[in-house]
Amino acid sequence: DAKTTQPPSMDCAEGRAANLPCNHSTISGNEYVYWYRQIHSQGPQYIIHGLKNNETNEMASLIITEDRKSSTLILPHATLRDTAVYYCIVRAVGGNQFYFGTGTSLTVIP
Amino acid sequence: SAVISQKPSRDICQRGTSLTIQCQVDSQVTMMFWYRQQPGQSLTLIATANQGSEATYESGFVIDKFPISRPNLTFSTLTVSNMSPEDSSIYLCSVGLANEQYFGPGTRLTVT
Repeated sequence: DAKTTQPPSMDCAEGRAANLPCNHSTISGNEYVYWYRQIHSQGPQYIIHGLKNNETNEMASLIITEDRKSSTLILPHATLRDTAVYYCIVRAVGGNQFYFGTGTSLTVIP
Repeated sequence: SAVISQKPSRDICQRGTSLTIQCQVDSQVTMMFWYRQQPGQSLTLIATANQGSEATYESGFVIDKFPISRPNLTFSTLTVSNMSPEDSSIYLCSVGLANEQYFGPGTRLTVT
């Protein structure tokens, strides 16, 4: 069951940072926060995940609040190719299933 | 990582018929998953398919409607049985590796 809340849509200017929020107020101590995105007509693509520390990779940064009840995915310099639906998912450590919520449709504007 | 292919990529089927979707992975994986994505909606997990055991179905999905095979560690099939227009969706398979899931490109099914 989806345990996350995300805004349904957001816009971001090309070249600017896109900050996508996610609320997961019922997260437990043994649950990861994952982010995936789905570009139109493709399968979802892994972006990043974290447990309690902030994480950064070549695609994005993940900022998790100290109480772990919310997080923000940051795309530092959004491009038109970042237009997609972004899903925030919580999954138990050692768990296998991913349950998708409704996601945020991000539109990067030229 | 894993590379996943699905066949067919799309199909148009008549109501009352069945369609079997194939999922092939380029490496051996224990866990495979099948999802449905209805038009304009998010992904819904149908079932988890582990090699050597019966698939585990999520609430609202039953084996008679969505039988799954998992004959080996690189392959799985999902059959959509006795189709109705409400079954028109994208069906995706995915595999679990380490802490991530990798998704196939999906099969776009239209039932007329």
